[in-house]
Amino acid sequence: DAGVTQSPTHLIKTRGQQVTLRCSPISGHKSVSWYQQVLGQGPQFIFQYYEKEERGRGNFPDRFSARQFPNYSSELNVNALLLGDSALYLCASSLTQSTNEKLFFGSGTQLSVL
Amino acid sequence: KQEVTQIPAALSVPEGENLVLNCSFTDSAIYNLQWFRQDPGKGLTSLLLIQSSQREQTSGRLNASLDKSSGRSTLYIAASQPGDSATYLCAVRGTTDSWGKFQFGAGTQVVVTP
Repeated sequence: DAGVTQSPTHLIKTRGQQVTLRCSPISGHKSVSWYQQVLGQGPQFIFQYYEKEERGRGNFPDRFSARQFPNYSSELNVNALLLGDSALYLCASSLTQSTNEKLFFGSGTQLSVL
Repeated sequence: KQEVTQIPAALSVPEGENLVLNCSFTDSAIYNLQWFRQDPGKGLTSLLLIQSSQREQTSGRLNASLDKSSGRSTLYIAASQPGDSATYLCAVRGTTDSWGKFQFGAGTQVVVTP
């Protein structure tokens, strides 16, 4: 079975542009979370979605938004890009939203904002 | 507010030596703690998940312990190999955090020299 897949793997944008990142969870997983990892730091929680609804949100501005589709795949949108948005964006999936479950991560999308 | 710290930030050991990686957290109200491995520019690979009611988990050469009351977890890797070179991150899921959020440490970068 395929793991968590993310696209694209790399992306270069300029300040002020908008970007959409995509994630497909492991087959059968219904929960998707998004994290931002700046070089040299641990990942920071952005959103969690379960059954197409936002269930958790981290401390990120409203420029960041996401959604989950009926097939449980997800998109992360970032508007009005800033230089500081340059980071590795990681998607993770789990079977349900149970607090006892492991997170499984994709390989990430490396976003560079120039 | 939960804070997760990993010390040291970097570690170099000769092949065959046992690795001991530390993780500390400030709030003991957690559901679980998960250890991950990250290779440069890549996503995270789940290693072990310890529930708050457990004291340790083992998988092959890996053993993780949890002392919730003192806010500490330790990951032991026996008989290290050059292929163990990577950054190791711990993450805690707090009971008072936003739903779905794992709080990560910044990681310990490990180099195993042949």
